[in-house]
Amino acid sequence: RKEVEQDPGPFNVPEGATVAFNCTYSNSASQSFFWYRQDCRKEPKLLMSVYSSGNEDGRFTAQLNRASQYISLLIRDSKLSDSATYLCVVNPGSARQLTFGSGTQLTVLP
Amino acid sequence: DAGITQSPRHKVTETGTPVTLRCHQTENHRYMYWYRQDPGHGLRLIHYSYGVKDTDKGEVSDGYSVSRSKTEDFLLTLESATSSQTSVYFCAISNPEGGNEQFFGPGTRLTVL
Repeated sequence: RKEVEQDPGPFNVPEGATVAFNCTYSNSASQSFFWYRQDCRKEPKLLMSVYSSGNEDGRFTAQLNRASQYISLLIRDSKLSDSATYLCVVNPGSARQLTFGSGTQLTVLP
Repeated sequence: DAGITQSPRHKVTETGTPVTLRCHQTENHRYMYWYRQDPGHGLRLIHYSYGVKDTDKGEVSDGYSVSRSKTEDFLLTLESATSSQTSVYFCAISNPEGGNEQFFGPGTRLTVL
């Protein structure tokens, strides 16, 4: 079983749609959780950290369920510029290392 | 954007030759990392450094070595390049005083023929 699992997609949605990505992780000792965004042929960029209480940044909402070892990302009112691959990332508890999911590809269509 | 540069950005080399990739940061962060990214595998950690001359192996370290003689520079060397090392290589940095977030350089696209 992979340490961090994501649905690879692709997700093709129209502009203005709401889309949700899910991610599960295997290490119950994991401490920190993030969503990164990666555009084609570019480096991953931090989108947001994920906190136990859930957190929101504009159109983006992230949630963490420690009991189910599950992380989600909700994007509301999708824009063309949201088209990218979204990486679920977990700190498994070891010294400042991160484990990356393989990513979920999103295409927002006009 | 974090001040991280990688050089070269693109390289084509032949099997059996040594290759060195450079990561340079201007953020004075203590932790630096080298990853490779391949289709279907996501980002995999090759080596990381937690200070000058302090390095450790990651998940896929075979065939790679690293050196860190200055805070700002982290070098990745492919001792004898193989076609299986064709990949995109990303350097990342993080700040121990902050969270566990990592910030990435623009990447090096390496092709081994």
